Amino acid sequence: GAGVSQSPSNKVTEKGKDVELRCDPISGHTALYWYRQSLGQGLEFLIYFQGNSAPDKSGLPSDRFSAERTGGSVSTLTIQRTQQEDSAVYLCASSLGARGSYEQYFGPGTRLTVT
Amino acid sequence: AQSVTQLDSQVPVFEEAPVELRCNYSSSVSVYLFWYVQYPNQGLQLLLKYLSGSTLVKGINGFEAEFNKSQTSFHLRKPSVHISDTAEYFCAVSDDNYGQNFVFGPGTRLSVLP
Repeated sequence: GAGVSQSPSNKVTEKGKDVELRCDPISGHTALYWYRQSLGQGLEFLIYFQGNSAPDKSGLPSDRFSAERTGGSVSTLTIQRTQQEDSAVYLCASSLGARGSYEQYFGPGTRLTVT
Repeated sequence: AQSVTQLDSQVPVFEEAPVELRCNYSSSVSVYLFWYVQYPNQGLQLLLKYLSGSTLVKGINGFEAEFNKSQTSFHLRKPSVHISDTAEYFCAVSDDNYGQNFVFGPGTRLSVLP
């Protein structure tokens, strides 16, 4: 079946512009995660959606970052007034549900470059 | 709160040699443990996971890991590596507490040399 997809695969934007990154999770997966991976670094948790519950936004680095998940499926991560330090690969993952035993399935990521 | 330590940020090894990538975690509750692999310019892919039962877990591509509760470790091993195993490896821990309960380690870059 189809895996997690993300678009665009690459995005180059000018400092100060807004960007939207999209994630299509695996059908039926109720949990969705966003991570940021800077060059040569590990995964930085950003935000977590689970079903209809309020999202866990504890990882968002500033109020320029926001995310929504419409209809319990597609998610959009928005970065306003981009800064050069926002340059990174943004990874989305989904899983069957909230249980810790459910593995996460990752998309290929969106590489964001802020010039 | 949970945490994951991967003591080796980089591990160079010659082709066909054995390798061990170390992972230690801290948690006050029962945990689930995972190893993921990230090939260049790709997302993460599950290698193996420990949920319960046998402490020796076998995964894809000839990898295996052993859960050691007393040492709070989940080291990843492969008896003979290939050039194609060159990648970043991430250990992760989770539990059944409410909310975002997945924690990834900082990763270990495995470089297999010819």
